[in-house]
Amino acid sequence: GAVVSQHPSWVICKSGTSVKIECRSLDFQATTMFWYRQFPKQSLMLMATSNEGSKATYEQGVEKDKFLINHASLTLSTLTVTSAHPEDSSFYICSASTAVIGAFFGQGTRLTVV
Amino acid sequence: DAKTTQPPSMDCAEGRAANLPCNHSTISGNEYVYWYRQIHSQGPQYIIHGLKNNETNEMASLIITEDRKSSTLILPHATLRDTAVYYCIVRINSGGSNYKLTFGKGTLLTVNP
Repeated sequence: GAVVSQHPSWVICKSGTSVKIECRSLDFQATTMFWYRQFPKQSLMLMATSNEGSKATYEQGVEKDKFLINHASLTLSTLTVTSAHPEDSSFYICSASTAVIGAFFGQGTRLTVV
Repeated sequence: DAKTTQPPSMDCAEGRAANLPCNHSTISGNEYVYWYRQIHSQGPQYIIHGLKNNETNEMASLIITEDRKSSTLILPHATLRDTAVYYCIVRINSGGSNYKLTFGKGTLLTVNP
């Protein structure tokens, strides 16, 4: 199957700082990328959908100024958690997709804000 | 958007077939059924998808009822490494060729030795 690489796999940051997470499709061009967050023992919650070259569409309740998404190319999307706080600690997962092959997921990033 | 219903948990003996059901009674004609699984602390892994015909690949088989209101994922010979949360998802077409995947709670499959 198609490979999606997410980096870093885990990060610890201080409260008030910003963290950037990268998501790359390694062997295909992704027209759409999705960002999810997952709390312990819960399902994945869709945060936003981004299409290459256009602004991301955020789900209701997700602050677009706090979770900055950039999808500058067909193989790279980034999620920046700005001014992180302990309640932002979570497992963040990206997905890269095309209409032809479907959606494939990164390994996830464990963010801990201290 | 079509929603899916899955049992919260199932058990299966190692080496036996695991049959995971999913109800999607409000599915529309152009929506596909996708199955993913998530092993603890990893990203979801694609398993299989289908529209109306039964599908089989190296991982599993997907059986979709004729009215498309339900489907079953079959792992023919379950191993301990198949223990995971399995998600049945109906692809939502949010315009053009774009779509989004919304996850329900899934089924925790536990394969026992």
